[in-house]
Amino acid sequence: SQQGEEDPQALSIQEGENATMNCSYKTSINNLQWYRQNSGRGLVHLILIRSNEREKHSGRLRVTLDTSKKSSSLLITASRAADTASYFCATGGTGNTGKLIFGQGTTLQVKP
Amino acid sequence: NAGVTQTPKFQVLKTGQSMTLQCAQDMNHNSMYWYRQDPGMGLRLIYYSASEGTTDKGEVPNGYNVSRLNKREFSLRLESAAPSQTSVYFCASSKGFGEKLFFGSGTQLSVL
Repeated sequence: SQQGEEDPQALSIQEGENATMNCSYKTSINNLQWYRQNSGRGLVHLILIRSNEREKHSGRLRVTLDTSKKSSSLLITASRAADTASYFCATGGTGNTGKLIFGQGTTLQVKP
Repeated sequence: NAGVTQTPKFQVLKTGQSMTLQCAQDMNHNSMYWYRQDPGMGLRLIYYSASEGTTDKGEVPNGYNVSRLNKREFSLRLESAAPSQTSVYFCASSKGFGEKLFFGSGTQLSVL
C-alpha cells in the first residue's frame, strides 16, 4: 500500500510554538497533499507538493518532500489555538493509480 | 458556490436496510470520490470516479455500489447495511484525478 503514515499520532504544544508533523509512504507518488480537519467537519486542503518539488510554503505552513526517503513533513510556525485540528497527509500515486490514499492523521492541540 | 453537497447529514439504519447517499458538486470537477472515516483509521477510499462515465473500486469497496449519474452527481448505495458500515462518509471532488480534493461536510451513518 502507498498509504501515508503520520507521526506523531498526537501532539500538544503551547501557542506560539512550532508544530512539526511527518508523513512516510511506501511507493512512488505523483504528489503528496496535506489536509486539516476540525472536529466534526470535512477536510480542508492545505497544500500540495509534487514529486519533483522539495519544499513549498503557504503562509505559516512549510512542507518538505524527500522522495529518496519517501517522507514529507508539515511545519506550522507560530501556532495559534485555532490551529487545533487533525492533520492528514494523502499520497497520489503515479499514472492511473492516482487515487489519493490518506494516512491516519496527527491530532494537534495548541494550548492558549 | 455551494461546493460539494452531501445528503443526508445524519442517518440511522437497521441491519439489512438499504439507502443511498447523495453527493453533488457545482465546480465542474471531473473526478469524484467516496471515503469513509472511522476512529483511528483515517480516511479510506471506497469508490471513485476519475471522470464522468467511469467508476472504480478503492480500498474498501465491499458492501457498496456507486453511480456517477452525470458530471455533477456521484451516489453511494448500501444495499444491505451492516453494523460494520457505521461510519462517517465523505464525498469529495477534484478538477483532475488525484489533484486537490474538495470535501463535503459528511454523513454520519449508524447501523444498528
